[in-house]
Amino acid sequence: NAGVTQTPKFQVLKTGQSMTLQCAQDMNHEYMSWYRQDPGMGLRLIHYSVGAGITDQGEVPNGYNVSRSTTEDFPLRLLSAAPSQTSVYFCASSQGAYNEQFFGPGTRLTVL
Amino acid sequence: AQSVSQHNHHVILSEAASLELGCNYSYGGTVNLFWYVQYPGQHLQLLLKYFSGDPLVKGIKGFEAEFIKSKFSFNLRKPSVQWSDTAEYFCAVGGFKTIFGAGTRLFVKA
Repeated sequence: NAGVTQTPKFQVLKTGQSMTLQCAQDMNHEYMSWYRQDPGMGLRLIHYSVGAGITDQGEVPNGYNVSRSTTEDFPLRLLSAAPSQTSVYFCASSQGAYNEQFFGPGTRLTVL
Repeated sequence: AQSVSQHNHHVILSEAASLELGCNYSYGGTVNLFWYVQYPGQHLQLLLKYFSGDPLVKGIKGFEAEFIKSKFSFNLRKPSVQWSDTAEYFCAVGGFKTIFGAGTRLFVKA
């Protein structure tokens, strides 16, 4: 099993550009989530999904969109990148919202 | 609102010293508590978890944590740290909106 995979590993954007961060898992997990990690702030939940077709907002959803058309994939879209979105983004999945989460390797995003 | 507070942001220890990292949470319902670790250059992985039962839980690499309901605490401990324990440690309360603490960076001097 590959576990949770994320692409790309690194990305540099200019302010106003849009892009999609990809996340996939092969563990048939129902629950998937996106976090951003900033120094001194831990991980903050952006969006989560409890199954295909069902998504909801986390703590910091503004500027991000998600969709979940399949169990395996959970892409995160930045609509119009801003320097405040410079961060490391982690995708995670778990068998149920209350169980341990398995994390991907992260995407380091810089917005100029 | 739910919250998780980690008391120490940076900890420096010498090898063989004992470790205790504090974690307090604010949550109204049944708690599922976790400690995750992020080694340099790696992604987060589970260290240990508490769902119910024995409040003293043991995890990987000799780590343990104690759930004290009356104090809303879930402190992480290790009797003797090694250089390889250098990492960032996160406490979390699980749920539909999992909340993580700000993290504690541990540096162990060889």
